[in-house]
Amino acid sequence: DAGVIQSPRHEVTEMGQEVTLRCKPISGHNSLFWYRQTMMRGLELLIYFNNNVPIDDSGMPEDRFSAKMPNASFSTLKIQPSEPRDSAVYFCASSLQTGPLEQYFGPGTRLTVT
Amino acid sequence: SQQGEEDPQALSIQEGENATMNCSYKTSINNLQWYRQNSGRGLVHLILIRSNEREKHSGRLRVTLDTSKKSSSLLITASRAADTASYFCATDGETSGSRLTFGEGTQLTVNP
Repeated sequence: DAGVIQSPRHEVTEMGQEVTLRCKPISGHNSLFWYRQTMMRGLELLIYFNNNVPIDDSGMPEDRFSAKMPNASFSTLKIQPSEPRDSAVYFCASSLQTGPLEQYFGPGTRLTVT
Repeated sequence: SQQGEEDPQALSIQEGENATMNCSYKTSINNLQWYRQNSGRGLVHLILIRSNEREKHSGRLRVTLDTSKKSSSLLITASRAADTASYFCATDGETSGSRLTFGEGTQLTVNP
């Protein structure tokens, strides 16, 4: 299995631009998680899906952030418009909904907003 | 607020020594997991201990859980330079659904 796949690995954009991060979970996993990691705030859960349905988006910082999961093998996290304070590493993780809840993380997308 | 809090925040040891990291949490849990993160990489699952277990081993890793004190420890024996990484504990509980709550991590440096 290729593991969780994220793209792009690095993204540099200017303030005000739209940013779209992509994630392909492990086949057969039915839970998907988006995290943000910064030195100041550590690892924060932004949103998670079970069976493609958003379950908890309380971690989404504001309306500029949105996430979708149109099918079991693809999810996007969009920031529009982006701001310098959005600079962080964004991780996608997947797991089985039932069972021991071990999460498998992707390599992350390092976002820099100038 | 973070459910899990690791201590120490940073630990530096020599190769061959043992490394012990601790995690405390606030609410009742179903399971506690430990993850490792190498610099610039995603987190990797190491070991899971259930709330009804007290100790678990996996290779050079030993995890203990004390639910009365709401704490766990991760012991890495005979450390290697390749063990240099950040280590996080993560918990799930009856009301958390599929989500895990991660601590702030311990940065372990193993000097060759």
